[in-house]
Amino acid sequence: GDSVTQMEGPVTLSEEAFLTINCTYTATGYPSLFWYVQYPGEGLQLLLKATKADDKGSNKGFEATYRKETTSFHLEKGSVQVSDSAVYFCALKVGDNKLIFGAGTRLAVHP
Amino acid sequence: NAGVTQTPKFQVLKTGQSMTLQCAQDMNHEYMSWYRQDPGMGLRLIHYSVGAGITDQGEVPNGYNVSRSTTEDFPLRLLSAAPSQTSVYFCASSSTGVPNEKLFFGSGTQLSVL
Repeated sequence: GDSVTQMEGPVTLSEEAFLTINCTYTATGYPSLFWYVQYPGEGLQLLLKATKADDKGSNKGFEATYRKETTSFHLEKGSVQVSDSAVYFCALKVGDNKLIFGAGTRLAVHP
Repeated sequence: NAGVTQTPKFQVLKTGQSMTLQCAQDMNHEYMSWYRQDPGMGLRLIHYSVGAGITDQGEVPNGYNVSRSTTEDFPLRLLSAAPSQTSVYFCASSSTGVPNEKLFFGSGTQLSVL
């Protein structure tokens, strides 16, 4: 069935380091793909999205490119900040009414 | 700017007790859903609704009931709580299904079943 696989965390980085969080998916057809972020004590918030192959979603310095050939949607940021510490979830849209989420990757950024 | 409001924030139940988790949104969203979040498993969809009077099951519906009598409210009922239902529960809504629209999440309810 449809699924999302994310790299296990936690990912621990120093401030200004480069970030990559891997996400691969299995789906029939051509799903829309999303990254959500969850800050401590809060619900999830949409970070970025891509709706078709080769689309690049971007927001707040984060980017992810929809790669159909590798079924991937890796999240990247060139220079992380302490305020980026959170849990990041990759997700895909199934049909019209369901989002399937990955297990989440915790990011900790230290000064 | 209330958005999606969930109550209570924390709850402790004994096995076999019943309770209702409340969810309300003030954005006139047609679509509402309930997820549970467990360590290492991400978020799993319990039930969802595409409008008043319409509900459907998600991935893990067993042990939970929902109803949607109004656009604003989407309560989640646990009829007989079990320790396996210990989790963090999130309610989410969006304006029209989830084609390309984003979900708005509440801040969660942390439930412990002893």
